[in-house]
Formats: sequence, structure tokens, C-alpha cells
Amino acid sequence: DAKTTQPPSMDCAEGRAANLPCNHSTISGNEYVYWYRQIHSQGPQYIIHGLKNNETNEMASLIITEDRKSSTLILPHATLRDTAVYYCIVRDTNFGNEKLTFGTGTRLTIIP
Amino acid sequence: GAGVSQSPSNKVTEKGKDVELRCDPISGHTALYWYRQRLGQGLEFLIYFQGNSAPDKSGLPSDRFSAERTGESVSTLTIQRTQQEDSAVYLCASSRARGETQYFGPGTRLLVL
Repeated sequence: DAKTTQPPSMDCAEGRAANLPCNHSTISGNEYVYWYRQIHSQGPQYIIHGLKNNETNEMASLIITEDRKSSTLILPHATLRDTAVYYCIVRDTNFGNEKLTFGTGTRLTIIP
Repeated sequence: GAGVSQSPSNKVTEKGKDVELRCDPISGHTALYWYRQRLGQGLEFLIYFQGNSAPDKSGLPSDRFSAERTGESVSTLTIQRTQQEDSAVYLCASSRARGETQYFGPGTRLLVL
């Protein structure tokens, strides 16, 4: 799976949009971009994933650049409960590689 | 609906004892995964089940670790003769089918004294 690069930490004011960037410049055509987060002492929580098109669900939006070399996770109205480590994962689901490889992620702190 | 559940939530054991960790996947999910997360570190893949078979056991760290799945449902991870380095959070995930989104349970926190 392609390697991803994320900033180690970010702050965001409560109520504002949190924009978390991820670089995946070596992504290949079959690879999806997945986002998970891990709140302290809990299991990872799935947020959203996409291949080429932008995606939106009840939790977040995912913006993928046209060349697919980077993406941004947007939490539209951050709350204190969104404080967590956010992981961007690029995953090829076509070749039997079932394991998820989590990098170091971005530690997002929501400031009251 | 119900998510992935794991039991016990916490387990403290003495070095050399055996432990069993249980995972109940989301109903109908055919794929099940075990990961380990040591304190302050990333997730470490252990094993993957498709149905009751384990096509990928490559992450099991030693022969003290084993896992089984029955009825295409519950899975148990067994650690024999536990060592202090086995202390970690053991996470289970399931997905509707292989290659699809994995949903994680809350984990079992294992402490080996």
C-alpha cells in the first residue's frame, strides 16, 4: 500500500471547520483513501473513504485532488469530542492484502 | 445496529499464564481481523479470517499466539505462557466481505505482570 504523510499535530477552534491534509503521492489507480480516527483509549473509528470523487457522510467530507496525490478530510463544525488522532490510509483492496497499515496520524486538538 | 464487541475489556494476568480474548463481529460480517496496539504505537496486524478460515496468519508474533473462529461468527485469540511484552490493547475488526471497510471493536487491554 502507498505511504501517506500527515502533519503530526493540528489545533482547531471549536465550531470551526477542521481541515486535515494527507499526501499520498505514490498512490496507484486501485488504491482507496480511507480515514479513521482514534479517540484516547478507544478502538479506531471509521470515518470515510473514497477512490476518485469527493465524498460526504454524516461525519465528514473527503476532498481528493484530481491527480489523487493528496486529500483533505473536513470536519465541518468541530466539537471537543472530535479531539483524536486521525489516520489517513491508502489501501489496495484488489490484491488480497487485508491488513490496514496505520501511520503516525495527525493529533487534532479542538480548542474551546 | 450493534457494533463489534470484545471481552473482557480489561485483563490483568501473571507472566506464564494463558489468556483468551473474545471478539463478536458485526452480524453477517464474513471477514474478521485481529490487531495489537502497544502503548503509544501504531496498529500491528496479527491475523485475518475469511469465514472460519485464516488465509493470513502472517502477523502472529510467535507460536504462543493462536486464534480460531467458529460459526463464521465469534473469534477467540489465545496467548499461551504470556510474557510482559504481550501487554497491549488487542483490537478486533470485522468487515462485510474481504476488501471492504473494517469496523473496530473497543479492544481488550491486556496487562501481564
